Amino acid sequence: GAVVSQHPSRVICKSGTSVKIECRSLDFQATTMFWYRQFPKQSLMLMATSNEGSKATYEQGVEKDKFLINHASLTLSTLTVTSAHPEDSSFYICSARVPLAREQYFGPGTRLTVT
Amino acid sequence: EDQVTQSPEALRLQEGESSSLNCSYTVSGLRGLFWYRQDPGKGPEFLFTLYSAGEEKEKERLKATLTKKESFLHITAPKPEDSATYLCAVWDDYKLSFGAGTTVTVRA
Repeated sequence: GAVVSQHPSRVICKSGTSVKIECRSLDFQATTMFWYRQFPKQSLMLMATSNEGSKATYEQGVEKDKFLINHASLTLSTLTVTSAHPEDSSFYICSARVPLAREQYFGPGTRLTVT
Repeated sequence: EDQVTQSPEALRLQEGESSSLNCSYTVSGLRGLFWYRQDPGKGPEFLFTLYSAGEEKEKERLKATLTKKESFLHITAPKPEDSATYLCAVWDDYKLSFGAGTTVTVRA
């Protein structure tokens, strides 16, 4: 149980375009999902917390107009990187929190490359 | 702000050579300490949650323990497939705060 999927696993896009990444909890309903960014050989950096039916809460320093998060249902959250630039190239990982618990289960990640 | 420090940064082991990873934390009122395993290019895989000092959990060759200021992840008789980065995290008010991780390499 507690499986989280992400799509796509890899994406290459041109500078200035937008990219959408989906995160789904497959076997449980997640009222809270999280989006992380990870640079090579570094730990996970929380970008934002996404609650179903409400606006996402962004960490300090994360541009909310650039990284749009939508948590439209109890099993789906999306991250849209708008007007992507090469510096947005990174590994993006989502996680979902099990209801009534603190455990988070992570998706397999999405490798974004902006050329 | 909560701090999580993991040591060592990297650990190279021979197959069968048991060892321990350390995670020390400073938090006002621990509400959960979590261990994850991360393989290169993949998302973290949940291993354990510990809530109170003295608690221990085991899974195959891994055993996690918790004291009031640190947690240990013991790897007993590791195999090459145990090679990964092991991440420790503590539950903050609303989020997980991660340590930098320990990268374990097990040689056959």
